[in-house]
Amino acid sequence: SQELEQSPQSLIVQEGKNLTINCTSSKTLYGLYWYKQKYGEGLIFLMMLQKGGEEKSHEKITAKLDEKKQQSSLHITASQPSHAGIYLCGADIGSGNTGKLIFGQGTTLQVKP
Amino acid sequence: GAVVSQHPSRVICKSGTSVKIECRSLDFQATTMFWYRQFPKQSLMLMATSNEGSKATYEQGVEKDKFLINHASLTLSTLTVTSAHPEDSSFYICSAYGTGGGLFFGSGTQLSVL
Repeated sequence: SQELEQSPQSLIVQEGKNLTINCTSSKTLYGLYWYKQKYGEGLIFLMMLQKGGEEKSHEKITAKLDEKKQQSSLHITASQPSHAGIYLCGADIGSGNTGKLIFGQGTTLQVKP
Repeated sequence: GAVVSQHPSRVICKSGTSVKIECRSLDFQATTMFWYRQFPKQSLMLMATSNEGSKATYEQGVEKDKFLINHASLTLSTLTVTSAHPEDSSFYICSAYGTGGGLFFGSGTQLSVL
């Protein structure tokens, strides 16, 4: 079965600093999703990557999928307190786009003002 | 944009009672819906896959007689936690996969069993 490993598990950064969260899969990724969450609340969709080498950006957040499609990274530039939360990567289990996701264990981000 | 409505957002019930959670796609048809559970400080765990008009497919370790899933239409799936116990207290969240290929999550339901 496919497994996703996220690192680090938790992160505390000073406001204004850059940070990177990694998501590594035991199998080829056919669809990789990044979400932000506060526990007990819904998921906020950030980005979805499918192609090897693909990179997407939204505001100060950039996500990349490596060429081999087994690792993705999420990079936040000039972090702000509003970036605090739990970041989850999710991988589509199917060989195509099925919507059936497994998730990494999450990365808890704190941003100190 | 596409919206998935999940109700209730929060429910408190007594041990032994049953609780129904609804997941509804508001402006699109969902060929498949998924149900996840999340315990405190843990990630989302897939419980089951729900297809309209057919029986749900449960993940290993999930009791199908305890977590009843009904997918009566292309816009509605329900999860019923039967004879709920305190260990069933958790955050439950659904997602809907649209016929156009989009994936959207509900806002989740916090279940507390006393």
